[in-house]
Amino acid sequence: GDSVTQMEGPVTLSEEAFLTINCTYTATGYPSLFWYVQYPGEGLQLLLKATKADDKGSNKGFEATYRKETTSFHLEKGSVQVSDSAVYFCALTDPRGNTPLVFGKGTRLSVIA
Amino acid sequence: KAGVTQTPRYLIKTRGQQVTLSCSPISGHRSVSWYQQTPGQGLQFLFEYFSETQRNKGNFPGRFSGRQFSNSRSEMNVSTLELGDSALYLCASSLEPVGELFFGEGSRLTVL
Repeated sequence: GDSVTQMEGPVTLSEEAFLTINCTYTATGYPSLFWYVQYPGEGLQLLLKATKADDKGSNKGFEATYRKETTSFHLEKGSVQVSDSAVYFCALTDPRGNTPLVFGKGTRLSVIA
Repeated sequence: KAGVTQTPRYLIKTRGQQVTLSCSPISGHRSVSWYQQTPGQGLQFLFEYFSETQRNKGNFPGRFSGRQFSNSRSEMNVSTLELGDSALYLCASSLEPVGELFFGEGSRLTVL
């Protein structure tokens, strides 16, 4: 079945450092890809998404590009802030809506001042 | 507008008991999904309901059940609780099954 593999955390960075969280997927066809973020004590929020190859999703300074050839959707941010400390989840779904959202195991990011 | 509301937020049960968790979706949303979140397994899909019909079901034992009411509110029930059922149970709603998911803050269940 479909699956998502994320780099394991935790990831600890200093403020203003560059962030990359790797995500690769296994799926048939052309899934839609997502990054969700979970701040402490809260539910998940959609951070960004991409629905076709070479699409770039972006939000709040975060970016991820849908790479069909490498089946990847890596999350990047040029300069992290303490407020970015959270758990980040990569996810995919069949764009026809026939299957539920499949999540990676999450990567915990801690940003220190 | 109000987000997804889950009740109760925290609860403690003992093995063998049963529990019912409630989810009120965002107004106008007709699709509700449930996920179990644990440190070891991450987020695992439980069920999805749309217009009171179960569209998808995850790979959980029959002790886990759910339903959706005509006002789109949803409940899930876990019977004969086991220690391994301790988890954060997240509900998410969307306008339609293919739409963006909006998550609640979750119900944290501890089984002793």
